Amino acid sequence: DAGVTQSPTHLIKTRGQQVTLRCSPKSGHDTVSWYQQALGQGPQFIFQYYEEEERQRGNFPDRFSGHQFPNYSSELNVNALLLGDSALYLCASSRPRWTDTQYFGPGTRLTVL
Amino acid sequence: QQQVKQSPQSLIVQKGGISIINCAYENTAFDYFPWYQQFPGKGPALLIAIRPDVSEKKEGRFTISFNKSAKQFSLHIMDSQPGDSATYFCAATDLTDSWGKLQFGAGTQVVVTP
Repeated sequence: DAGVTQSPTHLIKTRGQQVTLRCSPKSGHDTVSWYQQALGQGPQFIFQYYEEEERQRGNFPDRFSGHQFPNYSSELNVNALLLGDSALYLCASSRPRWTDTQYFGPGTRLTVL
Repeated sequence: QQQVKQSPQSLIVQKGGISIINCAYENTAFDYFPWYQQFPGKGPALLIAIRPDVSEKKEGRFTISFNKSAKQFSLHIMDSQPGDSATYFCAATDLTDSWGKLQFGAGTQVVVTP
């Protein structure tokens, strides 16, 4: 049983560019959450998708947007990249109505130069 | 504003010793408290979790102690092994209103020496 998968593993962008990160949830999961983890910090909640809609959002600007597809996979888009956006971006998935147990993917390491 | 405060930032323990990590929270609506273990280059993995209706939960060498009145909870790692060397995060959420949106502590880097 494949767990949560994310792509790409690493990404290097320059300031002002746009980036798209991808996540496939664990089999049987329909809820996807995205987190940003800066170096040496705990993950910070960006937003959560359920039934192809954004259900919850953390304190992140509108430059951060997302999408969930009918197969429950999800994308995170970040526009107008800033140096401060450099971080590990984590995707977590959970089963229907069981949002307590969240399984995390390995993350995408984004470096903004 | 950090809703979950974690300490210490790092700790070193000898093999066979006990590692203790403490967390405190302010939001009394929190009703689920998981601990995650993260190795370098990996995503966090759920280790153990507790709800506020119990004061202690044990799974193998890992124990959570929960003090609802003090709004504190802690992770004890018994008989620490070199393979336990990792960063540990406490977290909290209000399952009813926040759909599992996790609030994480800043993390504790644990090093277990042989």
